[in-house]
Amino acid sequence: DVKVTQSSRYLVKRTGEKVFLECVQDMDHENMFWYRQDPGLGLRLIYFSYDVKMKEKGDIPEGYSVSREKKERFSLILESASTNQTSMYLCASSRSGVPLNTEAFFGQGTRLTVV
Amino acid sequence: LAKTTQPISMDSYEGQEVNITCSHNNIATNDYITWYQQFPSQGPRFIIQGYKTKVTNEVASLFIPADRKSSTLSLPRVSLSDTAVYYCLVFGGNTGKLIFGQGTTLQVKP
Repeated sequence: DVKVTQSSRYLVKRTGEKVFLECVQDMDHENMFWYRQDPGLGLRLIYFSYDVKMKEKGDIPEGYSVSREKKERFSLILESASTNQTSMYLCASSRSGVPLNTEAFFGQGTRLTVV
Repeated sequence: LAKTTQPISMDSYEGQEVNITCSHNNIATNDYITWYQQFPSQGPRFIIQGYKTKVTNEVASLFIPADRKSSTLSLPRVSLSDTAVYYCLVFGGNTGKLIFGQGTTLQVKP
């Protein structure tokens, strides 16, 4: 089974802190994603990576950056956490190539609270 | 990326068949139609994908008419555990960039 593991299930950080959310997948997938989910807003894509060191902005990249130094690991960085970044963060991965790339596997999510 | 429109919410009762329709009027030739299911406090789970006509697996069926401008996810004989949010995605190309809409919240009642 594909496994996507996020480093923390719950996280509480202070405003202004630099926050790292880590995600690791074990199926050698080329694509990795970071989403955030808020009530009434569905899943919104923050960043997408299709290869090591490659990234594309999603719909809401402001206030976030990402790092993908190794194929299996995709990190989301909040440079200076703010209260409006309190949310559920979901990492996912998928294979490249159509139609395999339509099937993404998700981690369990990290519920981040910024106080 | 083709935009999808699906109902915000639906109610059903245990044992009924549920059909959730998604419209995607500007679907492109190389787009696939994919559905995901999300339970509370979990990440979404892929359930079915199709290109045209009908696809069936152990979880659901997907009906796609010839013009491909809409699709219908069919859940046979739902149970309380099928209460979830269902997302329709229309996706094509090689970038792999998956964009989710707001989904349909299905509430199954006893």
